[in-house]
Amino acid sequence: SSELTQDPAVSVALGQTVRITCQGESLRNFYGGWYQQKPGQAPLLVLYHKNNRPSGIPDRFSGSTSGNTASLTITGSQAEDEADYYCNSRDRSGTVIFGGGTKLTVL
Amino acid sequence: QLQLQESGPGLVKPSETLSLTCTVSGGSISISTYYWGWIRQPPGKGLEWIGSIFYRGTTYYNSSLESRATVSVDTSKNQFSLRLRSVTAADTSVYYCMRQVREDGGNGNDYYYMDVWGKGTTVTVSS
Repeated sequence: SSELTQDPAVSVALGQTVRITCQGESLRNFYGGWYQQKPGQAPLLVLYHKNNRPSGIPDRFSGSTSGNTASLTITGSQAEDEADYYCNSRDRSGTVIFGGGTKLTVL
Repeated sequence: QLQLQESGPGLVKPSETLSLTCTVSGGSISISTYYWGWIRQPPGKGLEWIGSIFYRGTTYYNSSLESRATVSVDTSKNQFSLRLRSVTAADTSVYYCMRQVREDGGNGNDYYYMDVWGKGTTVTVSS
C-alpha cells in the first residue's frame, strides 16, 4: 500500500505530552519527515531521519519509528504547537506521499 | 540562509497552462545532495507532491499528474519551474516550491524529506 494514515484530530492539555502517529507499509523502509503547518503558512520541517530536529526546532519535539508506524511526540505541549502536522514517506516507485494530516489542538 | 520564492499568475483560465517559477537565493541550486520540486495544497485539504528535478535535469513525477506536469531547471538563473497543462478548477491550490533531500540509508532504506519551503503562491483556476 502507498498510503499513510493519520488521525484527523488530536487534543492535548497545555504542558502535557501528546503523540501523533503515522501508519503505512512504506514506513518500514522509506523514511520521511514530520511537518508543522500553521494557518496561512508553509509547512515547516520539525523532524527528519526518524528523530533528528532541524536547527531552531525545540527539543520537546521527538520522533520514533516501529514497524509500519512513525510517531511524533511533543513533551510539554505549548500553545504555539497548535497546528496541523503531516508525515511523509515514499512508495516503491519513488513517489513522495503524505499522510492526511492531524490537527492538534492545545487546550 | 537559503530562501525559495514562488512567482507566477494567480489566476489561470480552465484548459490553459499554469506556469510557476521558484527562485532560489542564499545558495546554489547545483548541489548534488538535493532535488527541487513542487507540492500543492487545495483549499482546506492536505499536501500533494507534484514532481521534483535534479539540477542536471533528471525528473520524477506523481503518476496522477505526470501526463500534465513538467518541471524544468535553469541553473544559470538559480531557478526551477512548473508547467501544468489543461488545468481545471480541481487544480486550484496553494503551490509550494521546496528543496527535497533524498538519502540512501543503506540496507534498502532511504530518506525522502523536504527541508526548505517557499511561502507558497495561490493559484485559482477560473474563467
